[in-house]
Amino acid sequence: GGIITQTPKFLIGQEGQKLTLKCQQNFNHDTMYWYRQDSGKGLRLIYYSITENDLQKGDLSEGYDASREKKSSFSLTVTSAQKNEMAVFLCASSTWGQNTEVFFGKGTRLTVV
Amino acid sequence: GDSVTQTEGQVALSEEDFLTIHCNYSASGYPALFWYVQYPGEGPQFLFRASRDKEKGSSRGFEATYDKGTTSFHLRKASVQESDSAVYYCALGDRGSALGRLHFGAGTQLIVIP
Repeated sequence: GGIITQTPKFLIGQEGQKLTLKCQQNFNHDTMYWYRQDSGKGLRLIYYSITENDLQKGDLSEGYDASREKKSSFSLTVTSAQKNEMAVFLCASSTWGQNTEVFFGKGTRLTVV
Repeated sequence: GDSVTQTEGQVALSEEDFLTIHCNYSASGYPALFWYVQYPGEGPQFLFRASRDKEKGSSRGFEATYDKGTTSFHLRKASVQESDSAVYYCALGDRGSALGRLHFGAGTQLIVIP
């Protein structure tokens, strides 16, 4: 088994601030993902990475940057926090290939004041 | 684009009731379909998947059958328990170059009253 660790669990930022969320996995998975979870809207993909130093945009990438410097870690940066970005950000990982099981972390809850 | 629709935002049942959560999808061909469950304070967890028409997926007493004709993958359980209270997500596997990525429905919160 393995685990996905997201830090911090809670993040409070000011409008316009640049904020970074971190994720580590010890599954040795190739692919990692960042999803945003909003109440009543499900999970929407922000960025994903199929290997170290690879980055692919998801459906919601505008306003975000990502970084995959090591196989085990994947960071997400909110480039300029906005009040309507209060949400839970979920990191996930999976092995390479279609239809594989995706494992999720417990999330980072972002609040912008 | 590919999408998933869950019609119930919230379902409230008593213990031992029968559960149905509806999931319909829009996609060409035969995408893989998934159910994930999310307990409070946790990330979503894989429940099961199905990849072919008429294939049944099941786990922990939950089941769903892939139906290409009605483009559905409804989640059912014969007798729910309080411990089943959680949010359930139906998801569709992306068949393009984004291997492994999922398209999620809005989620259905299940509340089981003891």
